[in-house]
Amino acid sequence: SQTIHQWPATLVQPVGSPLSLECTVEGTSNPNLYWYRQAAGRGLQLLFYSVGIGQISSEVPQNLSASRPQDRQFILSSKKLLLSDSGFYLCAWTLAAGNTEAFFGQGTRLTVV
Amino acid sequence: AQSVTQLGSHVSVSEGALVLLRCNYSSSVPPYLFWYVQYPNQGLQLLLKYTSAATLVKGINGFEAEFKKSETSFHLTKPSAHMSDAAEYFCAVSDGGFKTIFGAGTRLFVKA
Repeated sequence: SQTIHQWPATLVQPVGSPLSLECTVEGTSNPNLYWYRQAAGRGLQLLFYSVGIGQISSEVPQNLSASRPQDRQFILSSKKLLLSDSGFYLCAWTLAAGNTEAFFGQGTRLTVV
Repeated sequence: AQSVTQLGSHVSVSEGALVLLRCNYSSSVPPYLFWYVQYPNQGLQLLLKYTSAATLVKGINGFEAEFKKSETSFHLTKPSAHMSDAAEYFCAVSDGGFKTIFGAGTRLFVKA
């Protein structure tokens, strides 16, 4: 069966420090991969998605970047965190395009102090 | 462009009462529609999805939703609320492409 791993679960980082969140998927090949950010009362904001290795689509200009170095690995990064980067970050995957279910990781609670 | 509006950021019901969570969507093409549930500090889990088959869709945990094209709605219902239903619920829409648009969420409170 397919599983998705996302870590760490919680993270407290100072302003100006770098960030690296990692997500891996097991049990499937060539998934579509997504990074979302969730802010209270604002739902899920799509940050990046990837349909293949090295292919990244950015949805929102911001202080973050994403990379997909391997088929089932998706990384969210920042060189210098801002206070506004605080939030709940969710990784997700789908097998095909948008008519299929998205499977979510457990999320990372990032607090920038 | 697609959009989703969930009416009511918070809904409170008594245990055993009807649950009704409202969702209206906008889409220029026939949509795919989803309801997800999120428990505290966890990811989202699919409750049900509409993909142009039956307009009444049954999901897990006794939830169901009805697609009404004329009203552009996809409201989620459950006949009898249980304490374990307390969570946040998200409606989502897709045009079949790679992006799914999520609503702002509705937090459901269940009173004993």
